[in-house]
Amino acid sequence: KAGVTQTPRYLIKTRGQQVTLSCSPISGHRSVSWYQQTPGQGLQFLFEYFSETQRNKGNFPGRFSGRQFSNSRSEMNVSTLELGDSALYLCASSPGGGRGEEKLFFGSGTQLSVL
Amino acid sequence: AQSVTQLDSQVPVFEEAPVELRCNYSSSVSVYLFWYVQYPNQGLQLLLKYLSGSTLVKGINGFEAEFNKSQTSFHLRKPSVHISDTAEYFCAVSSSASKIIFGSGTRLSIRP
Repeated sequence: KAGVTQTPRYLIKTRGQQVTLSCSPISGHRSVSWYQQTPGQGLQFLFEYFSETQRNKGNFPGRFSGRQFSNSRSEMNVSTLELGDSALYLCASSPGGGRGEEKLFFGSGTQLSVL
Repeated sequence: AQSVTQLDSQVPVFEEAPVELRCNYSSSVSVYLFWYVQYPNQGLQLLLKYLSGSTLVKGINGFEAEFNKSQTSFHLRKPSVHISDTAEYFCAVSSSASKIIFGSGTRLSIRP
């Protein structure tokens, strides 16, 4: 089985622009979660989608949004980029049937740099 | 609400020495506990997890962790580390009704 695929691998944007990141989960997985990783902050939870519906949301401003398609692929959008949005954005998928006990499968991430 | 604390942001050890990475959690309900590892330029992968049963959990690459309910801890151990263990290690907690929460990570560096 192919793993979780995130595209693009690297992105450079300037302040004020918007960006869309893509995540293709493992085939058959219905849950997709997004995390922001910055040095010293660990992984901050952005949101989780299950069967095209947002199931959980973290404490991020409304500039951060996401969606999930019927094939479980997910996109994350950040509008009006700020310097502080520079981070590694990780996507994780899981089968989604259970909740807390499920193993997460992570992609390699998209490294976003905002100049 | 749940939380997880990794007290050590960095742990340097010599090759073939033992290592312990500390993790403490807080929760008012029964928890599931995890350790994930992130090698350079990669995503995270599961090392081991505790759901129930035996409090000593064995994972991949010779790592093990012990669930201690009274101490609310889930420390990760390896008796002899290798250069290839250089990575960042994340402890995480969840429950049947909540999403997973990650700690801030511990960077393990191995000295030859």
